[in-house]
Amino acid sequence: EAGVTQSPTHLIKTRGQQATLRCSPISGHTSVYWYQQALGLGLQFLLWYDEGEERNRGNFPPRFSGRQFPNYSSELNVNALELEDSALYLCASTPYSNQPQHFGDGTRLSIL
Amino acid sequence: DAKTTQPNSMESNEEEPVHLPCNHSTISGTDYIHWYRQLPSQGPEYVIHGLTSNVNNRMASLAIAEDRKSSTLILHRATLRDAAVYYCILRDDPLVFGKGTRLSVIA
Repeated sequence: EAGVTQSPTHLIKTRGQQATLRCSPISGHTSVYWYQQALGLGLQFLLWYDEGEERNRGNFPPRFSGRQFPNYSSELNVNALELEDSALYLCASTPYSNQPQHFGDGTRLSIL
Repeated sequence: DAKTTQPNSMESNEEEPVHLPCNHSTISGTDYIHWYRQLPSQGPEYVIHGLTSNVNNRMASLAIAEDRKSSTLILHRATLRDAAVYYCILRDDPLVFGKGTRLSVIA
C-alpha cells in the first residue's frame, strides 16, 4: 500500500509570498493532520481535517490555512510568509481519529 | 494536557536490548500511551501504544507500570537502523510531541 505522499519535497520562497503544500493520505484514510517541525521548536500541531471539515487547529496565526478535498487529499496554504515559517511541514493520515497516525516525509519550506 | 518526561539522549550497543523510559505522573485514566520514532530525514513512524497491559508487536514491547505513571519502550535487539528520536505521547488526537529521546546505536 502506498504511504502518505507530500509534494513538493522542497520549496523555496521569499518573505511575503504565499506557499501551497500538498498531501495525499493513504487510501481509505479520511483524517489528515498537518504538523510543523521548526528547528529548535520540535513538532507542533497545525491543523486537522476529517471528512472535508476542519476539526481542530493549533496555536498558529490565520495566515496558516488549508482544506481537504472530496478525495481526502489536503492542501496547506501559508500566506504572507515570514522567515520563521522556515520548517519541515509534515502531513499524517489515519482511517479515523484515535488511530495511529501515518506520516509522510514532509515538505521542507525555506524562506529567504 | 498531561505531560511526559524522557531523557534527552541514550546510547546502546548494536544487538543489545534498549529500555527507553518515560514518566507521565499526571496521566488520566483514559490516556493511551503512544510511542513514535523519527529517523533522520524522515517523518515520524508509529511504534506501539497501550493503555494498561504490556503490549508487544513486531517492532517493540511496551511495559506499563501498574500505577500507569511511567512506561518503558523496549527494543529487544538494537540495530543501527533503530537510531532515531523516540517520542512518548499521551494525547493522540492531535499528537502532542515533546522533545523525545535521541537514541544512538554503536556498532
